[in-house]
Amino acid sequence: QVQLQESGPGLVKPSQTLSLTCTVSGGSISSGDYYWSWIRQPPGKGLEWIGYIYYSGSTYYNPSLKSRVTISVDTSKNQFSLKLSSVTAADTAVYYCARGDSSGYYGLDTWGQGTLVTVSS
Amino acid sequence: EIVLTQSPGTLSLSPGERATLSCRASQSVSSSYLAWYQQKPGQAPRLLIYGASSRATGIPDRFSGSGSGTDFTLTISRLEPEDFAVYYCQQYGSSPPERLTFGGGTKVEIK
Repeated sequence: QVQLQESGPGLVKPSQTLSLTCTVSGGSISSGDYYWSWIRQPPGKGLEWIGYIYYSGSTYYNPSLKSRVTISVDTSKNQFSLKLSSVTAADTAVYYCARGDSSGYYGLDTWGQGTLVTVSS
Repeated sequence: EIVLTQSPGTLSLSPGERATLSCRASQSVSSSYLAWYQQKPGQAPRLLIYGASSRATGIPDRFSGSGSGTDFTLTISRLEPEDFAVYYCQQYGSSPPERLTFGGGTKVEIK
Protein backbone atom coordinates (compact mmCIF):
# COMPACT_ATOMS: atom_id res chain seq x y z
CA GLN A 1 0.00 0.00 0.00
CA VAL A 2 1.33 3.38 -1.02
CA GLN A 3 2.18 5.82 1.77
CA LEU A 4 3.18 9.46 1.57
CA GLN A 5 5.23 11.38 4.12
CA GLU A 6 5.92 15.11 4.14
CA SER A 7 9.15 16.51 5.55
CA GLY A 8 10.74 19.93 5.90
CA PRO A 9 11.19 22.88 8.23
CA GLY A 10 8.27 23.74 10.47
CA LEU A 11 9.26 27.39 10.73
CA VAL A 12 10.11 29.74 7.86
CA LYS A 13 10.90 33.44 8.06
CA PRO A 14 8.87 35.97 6.07
CA SER A 15 10.18 36.63 2.55
CA GLN A 16 12.09 33.35 2.53
CA THR A 17 11.33 30.18 0.57
CA LEU A 18 9.31 27.33 2.01
CA SER A 19 10.66 23.93 0.95
CA LEU A 20 8.94 20.60 1.55
CA THR A 21 9.50 17.08 0.31
CA CYS A 22 7.05 14.22 0.00
CA THR A 23 8.50 10.71 0.10
CA VAL A 24 6.49 7.98 -1.58
CA SER A 25 6.81 4.45 -0.20
CA GLY A 26 5.15 1.22 -1.21
CA GLY A 27 4.91 2.22 -4.85
CA SER A 28 6.74 3.98 -7.65
CA ILE A 29 6.37 7.68 -8.30
CA SER A 30 7.20 6.88 -11.92
CA SER A 31 3.85 5.26 -12.56
CA GLY A 32 2.11 7.10 -15.34
CA ASP A 33 -1.21 6.31 -13.71
CA TYR A 34 -0.91 9.06 -11.12
CA TYR A 35 -0.17 12.69 -10.49
CA TRP A 36 1.41 13.95 -7.27
CA SER A 37 -0.13 16.96 -5.60
CA TRP A 38 0.37 19.52 -2.87
CA ILE A 39 -2.59 20.90 -0.93
CA ARG A 40 -2.57 23.22 2.06
CA GLN A 41 -4.94 24.14 4.86
CA PRO A 42 -4.54 27.32 6.94
CA PRO A 43 -5.43 26.83 10.61
CA GLY A 44 -9.19 26.53 11.02
CA LYS A 45 -9.85 26.96 7.29
CA GLY A 46 -10.56 24.85 4.23
CA LEU A 47 -8.40 23.06 1.69
CA GLU A 48 -6.50 24.89 -1.04
CA TRP A 49 -4.95 23.12 -4.01
CA ILE A 50 -1.38 24.32 -4.69
CA GLY A 51 -0.41 22.26 -7.71
CA TYR A 52 0.62 18.87 -8.99
CA ILE A 53 3.21 17.11 -11.09
CA TYR A 54 3.42 14.03 -13.25
CA TYR A 55 6.49 11.78 -13.12
CA SER A 56 7.40 13.16 -16.54
CA GLY A 57 7.82 16.57 -14.94
CA SER A 58 4.69 18.23 -16.33
CA THR A 59 3.26 20.62 -13.76
CA TYR A 60 -0.02 22.43 -13.12
CA TYR A 61 -0.37 25.18 -10.54
CA ASN A 62 -3.12 27.13 -8.83
CA PRO A 63 -3.15 30.47 -10.67
CA SER A 64 -3.31 32.35 -7.39
CA LEU A 65 0.06 30.87 -6.34
CA LYS A 66 1.66 30.18 -9.70
CA SER A 67 4.18 33.02 -9.58
CA ARG A 68 5.65 31.69 -6.33
CA VAL A 69 5.35 27.91 -6.66
CA THR A 70 7.68 25.28 -8.05
CA ILE A 71 6.94 21.57 -7.83
CA SER A 72 9.59 19.09 -8.91
CA VAL A 73 10.05 15.33 -8.91
CA ASP A 74 13.06 13.14 -8.17
CA THR A 75 12.26 9.68 -9.47
CA SER A 76 15.58 8.26 -8.21
CA LYS A 77 14.54 9.06 -4.64
CA ASN A 78 10.82 8.43 -5.17
CA GLN A 79 10.12 11.94 -3.95
CA PHE A 80 8.47 15.12 -5.10
CA SER A 81 9.00 18.57 -3.68
CA LEU A 82 7.37 21.94 -3.17
CA LYS A 83 9.02 25.33 -3.12
CA LEU A 84 7.00 28.42 -2.27
CA SER A 85 8.89 31.68 -2.45
CA SER A 86 8.42 35.05 -0.76
CA VAL A 87 6.29 33.62 2.01
CA THR A 88 4.17 35.70 4.37
CA ALA A 89 2.11 34.88 7.44
CA ALA A 90 -0.76 34.04 5.07
CA ASP A 91 1.23 30.99 3.96
CA THR A 92 1.08 29.49 7.44
CA ALA A 93 -0.77 26.21 6.99
CA VAL A 94 -0.71 22.46 7.21
CA TYR A 95 0.77 21.25 3.94
CA TYR A 96 -0.36 17.91 2.57
CA CYS A 97 0.99 15.84 -0.28
CA ALA A 98 -1.45 13.54 -2.03
CA ARG A 99 -1.75 11.14 -4.95
CA GLY A 100 -4.35 11.48 -7.65
CA ASP A 101 -5.05 9.21 -10.58
CA SER A 102 -4.08 10.74 -13.88
CA SER A 103 -7.59 10.45 -15.34
CA GLY A 104 -8.97 12.56 -12.52
CA TYR A 105 -11.80 10.09 -12.04
CA TYR A 106 -10.63 8.40 -8.84
CA GLY A 107 -9.92 11.55 -6.83
CA LEU A 108 -7.05 12.00 -4.39
CA ASP A 109 -6.92 8.54 -2.90
CA THR A 110 -3.80 8.71 -0.74
CA TRP A 111 -2.68 11.56 1.50
CA GLY A 112 0.29 12.23 3.72
CA GLN A 113 -0.35 13.05 7.37
CA GLY A 114 0.42 16.73 6.76
CA THR A 115 3.06 19.03 8.16
CA LEU A 116 2.48 22.39 9.80
CA VAL A 117 4.57 25.22 8.44
CA THR A 118 4.54 28.48 10.35
CA VAL A 119 5.79 31.68 8.77
CA SER A 120 7.15 33.93 11.46
CA SER A 121 10.25 35.92 12.27
CA GLU B 1 -12.79 29.25 -13.09
CA ILE B 2 -15.23 26.94 -11.33
CA VAL B 3 -16.24 27.75 -7.76
CA LEU B 4 -17.72 25.03 -5.55
CA THR B 5 -20.14 26.24 -2.87
CA GLN B 6 -21.03 23.84 -0.09
CA SER B 7 -24.10 24.16 2.09
CA PRO B 8 -24.94 24.32 4.84
CA GLY B 9 -21.78 25.50 6.49
CA THR B 10 -22.68 23.55 9.61
CA LEU B 11 -25.17 20.72 10.06
CA SER B 12 -26.26 19.88 13.60
CA LEU B 13 -27.69 16.38 13.82
CA SER B 14 -28.01 13.47 16.23
CA PRO B 15 -26.56 9.99 15.76
CA GLY B 16 -28.92 7.86 13.69
CA GLU B 17 -30.21 10.81 11.69
CA ARG B 18 -29.79 11.34 7.97
CA ALA B 19 -27.34 13.96 6.72
CA THR B 20 -27.68 15.64 3.35
CA LEU B 21 -24.78 17.82 2.19
CA SER B 22 -24.86 19.98 -0.91
CA CYS B 23 -22.10 21.01 -3.32
CA ARG B 24 -23.05 23.48 -6.02
CA ALA B 25 -20.74 24.42 -8.90
CA SER B 26 -20.66 27.79 -10.61
CA GLN B 27 -20.47 25.98 -13.97
CA SER B 28 -21.29 22.48 -15.08
CA VAL B 29 -18.88 19.86 -13.77
CA SER B 30 -18.39 16.48 -15.32
CA SER B 31 -19.77 14.05 -12.74
CA SER B 32 -16.83 11.80 -13.54
CA TYR B 33 -14.58 14.27 -11.78
CA LEU B 34 -16.45 15.12 -8.59
CA ALA B 35 -15.18 13.70 -5.30
CA TRP B 36 -16.04 13.97 -1.62
CA TYR B 37 -13.67 13.81 1.35
CA GLN B 38 -14.07 13.48 5.11
CA GLN B 39 -11.70 15.22 7.50
CA LYS B 40 -11.53 14.73 11.24
CA PRO B 41 -9.62 17.08 13.56
CA GLY B 42 -5.87 16.65 13.31
CA GLN B 43 -6.15 14.21 10.41
CA ALA B 44 -5.64 14.35 6.68
CA PRO B 45 -8.72 14.25 4.46
CA ARG B 46 -9.95 10.81 3.46
CA LEU B 47 -11.49 10.03 0.08
CA LEU B 48 -15.11 8.92 0.43
CA ILE B 49 -16.69 9.23 -3.00
CA TYR B 50 -15.25 9.56 -6.52
CA GLY B 51 -16.95 9.92 -9.86
CA ALA B 52 -19.79 11.63 -7.97
CA SER B 53 -21.33 8.35 -6.80
CA SER B 54 -18.72 5.59 -6.38
CA ARG B 55 -17.56 4.74 -2.88
CA ALA B 56 -13.83 4.54 -2.28
CA THR B 57 -12.29 1.37 -0.89
CA GLY B 58 -13.46 0.58 2.63
CA ILE B 59 -16.14 3.28 2.79
CA PRO B 60 -19.37 2.07 4.45
CA ASP B 61 -22.50 1.94 2.33
CA ARG B 62 -24.25 4.49 4.54
CA PHE B 63 -22.29 7.06 2.51
CA SER B 64 -23.68 7.80 -0.94
CA GLY B 65 -23.10 10.45 -3.57
CA SER B 66 -25.35 11.70 -6.32
CA GLY B 67 -25.86 14.55 -8.71
CA SER B 68 -24.79 15.94 -12.04
CA GLY B 69 -24.17 19.21 -13.81
CA THR B 70 -23.94 21.87 -11.12
CA ASP B 71 -25.63 20.14 -8.17
CA PHE B 72 -24.12 17.30 -6.19
CA THR B 73 -25.12 15.70 -2.90
CA LEU B 74 -23.42 13.59 -0.27
CA THR B 75 -25.85 11.63 1.89
CA ILE B 76 -25.06 9.81 5.11
CA SER B 77 -28.07 7.58 5.67
CA ARG B 78 -27.68 7.07 9.43
CA LEU B 79 -25.03 9.02 11.27
CA GLU B 80 -22.61 7.04 13.37
CA PRO B 81 -20.56 8.75 16.11
CA GLU B 82 -17.44 8.55 13.92
CA ASP B 83 -19.15 10.43 11.07
CA PHE B 84 -19.10 13.80 12.83
CA ALA B 85 -16.45 15.61 10.84
CA VAL B 86 -15.93 18.15 8.06
CA TYR B 87 -16.77 17.15 4.49
CA TYR B 88 -15.32 18.67 1.32
CA CYS B 89 -16.29 18.31 -2.31
CA GLN B 90 -13.64 18.61 -5.01
CA GLN B 91 -13.67 18.79 -8.78
CA TYR B 92 -11.00 18.13 -11.36
CA GLY B 93 -10.64 19.03 -14.93
CA SER B 94 -13.47 21.42 -15.64
CA SER B 95 -12.96 24.96 -16.86
CA PRO B 96 -10.08 24.98 -17.34
CA PRO B 97 -8.93 21.40 -17.66
CA GLU B 98 -6.52 19.92 -15.17
CA ARG B 99 -7.28 22.29 -12.34
CA LEU B 100 -8.41 21.10 -8.92
CA THR B 101 -10.93 23.01 -6.85
CA PHE B 102 -12.24 22.32 -3.36
CA GLY B 103 -15.48 23.49 -1.82
CA GLY B 104 -15.39 25.38 1.45
CA GLY B 105 -16.57 22.42 3.52
CA THR B 106 -19.57 21.41 5.62
CA LYS B 107 -19.12 20.60 9.28
CA VAL B 108 -21.39 17.87 10.61
CA GLU B 109 -21.63 18.33 14.36
CA ILE B 110 -23.43 16.52 17.13
CA LYS B 111 -26.69 18.18 18.11
